[in-house]
Formats: sequence, C-alpha cells, structure tokens
Amino acid sequence: QLQLQESGPGLVKPSETLSLTCTVSGGSISSSSYYWGWIRQPPGKGLEWIGSIYYSGSTYYNPSLKSRVTISVDTSKNQFSLKLSSVTAADTAVYYCARGCGQQWLIDNWFDPWGQGTLVTVSS
Amino acid sequence: QSVLTQPPSVSGAPGQRVTISCTGSSSNIGAGYDVHWYQQLPGTAPKLLIYGNSNRPSGVPDRFSGSKSGTSASLAITGLQAEDEADYYCQSYDSSLKGVFGGGTKLTVL
Repeated sequence: QLQLQESGPGLVKPSETLSLTCTVSGGSISSSSYYWGWIRQPPGKGLEWIGSIYYSGSTYYNPSLKSRVTISVDTSKNQFSLKLSSVTAADTAVYYCARGCGQQWLIDNWFDPWGQGTLVTVSS
Repeated sequence: QSVLTQPPSVSGAPGQRVTISCTGSSSNIGAGYDVHWYQQLPGTAPKLLIYGNSNRPSGVPDRFSGSKSGTSASLAITGLQAEDEADYYCQSYDSSLKGVFGGGTKLTVL
C-alpha cells in the first residue's frame, strides 16, 4: 500500500525559503505510470495545486507560483521535494504531497493517495 | 476566486439525495478535460472519491456518483449518512492554469 509522508520545518520566517520533502513508501517513485504533486490548503480555505513532477524530472508549476517554486525528485531516496522562495504570511498553509494518476502527464491527472499534510506557518 | 465554481454549502437529511455542482469554462471542463472529486473529512487529508468524471475507486460506496455535461460536472450522493458530512472538492485541468480545484462545498447532514 503506497504511503506518502511530508516532512520539514513547521515555521518559516517571511522572505525565507520554505523547504519540504515527501517520502514515498510501499512503491517506487520511478514508476513510469505515475506523477507526483504538491497541493496546499490555507487554514479554513480550499485546495491549491502547486506543481507536479515526473520521475524523469519534468515539472509543471502553477503559473501564479511559478517564479518562486522548485520541485525536484531524488529517485535514490524515493523522495520528491518542494522549495518555495520569498514566502509571506499568505503562504501559511497545510502542504500535501500526493501521487498523480492518469494516462497523460499532467492532463486529466487525479491525485491518489495523499500524504497526511504538514502545516507550515510563515511568521517572524 | 476559484476557476471551478462550487456552491459553498449544501445540506440534506439522512437518507436523502444531494448534488454538488462544479462549473467551469471552455478552457477546462468545457474543453473536454476530466473532472475528479475528493472528500475531505474534518482534520484529514482529501481522499479521492470519483476520477475521470464518473469512476469510483475501489472501496468508495456506490452511493457516490459523478457526471459531466458541457462546462459543468456534478457529484451526487444518495442515501445520505451522517458520516458523509465533509468538504467536497472538484478538480480538473485548465489549458492555461494546468491543475485547478474548485473552492469546495461543505456538506451538512441535518
């Protein structure tokens, strides 16, 4: 059974870089059948797709975050990571990692399963 | 403001049928892209409920069904149960914005 687990600092200072890692267990991140994504949810608000990555390293980012986001993959550790630079209070959210499914890369992908999420607070 | 529009809330009594709409545009749902639905119970991560407009993953009760027409999609829940009280989100692909979610709908079981 595939499981995903987010890890990283729960508190980040404004203007600094948020860094999170998602560890995948129970399956290989190098599978050509799946993709890997980051989604966030501000407290009391809805879901926002941040970006997705294929095991080869190909990435797609939310245009509204593209200038600040970097997603990378480490197949040797079965992990993928998120970096969000120049954070502000508006970046305070629960950050989820999830497996992307579907026949086409990015298009018509759905996310299943999801990690439990990790709350990241941006505050000085 | 979400690209996919959902009603903020819906409610129904146990045993009733409720529907949740997800309205998009010609650059996402109307372009033929699939719609997926997630259920988020309080304090938990979203869980896949429907994929590819109308497909249920293993383990999801057949009380949940999805449909799509034109620029909109709908999630229907029949035989409403107290345990269905949760937030529901639709998701699709947008030709400009890529991955997009609806704003979410809070279902209250009366």
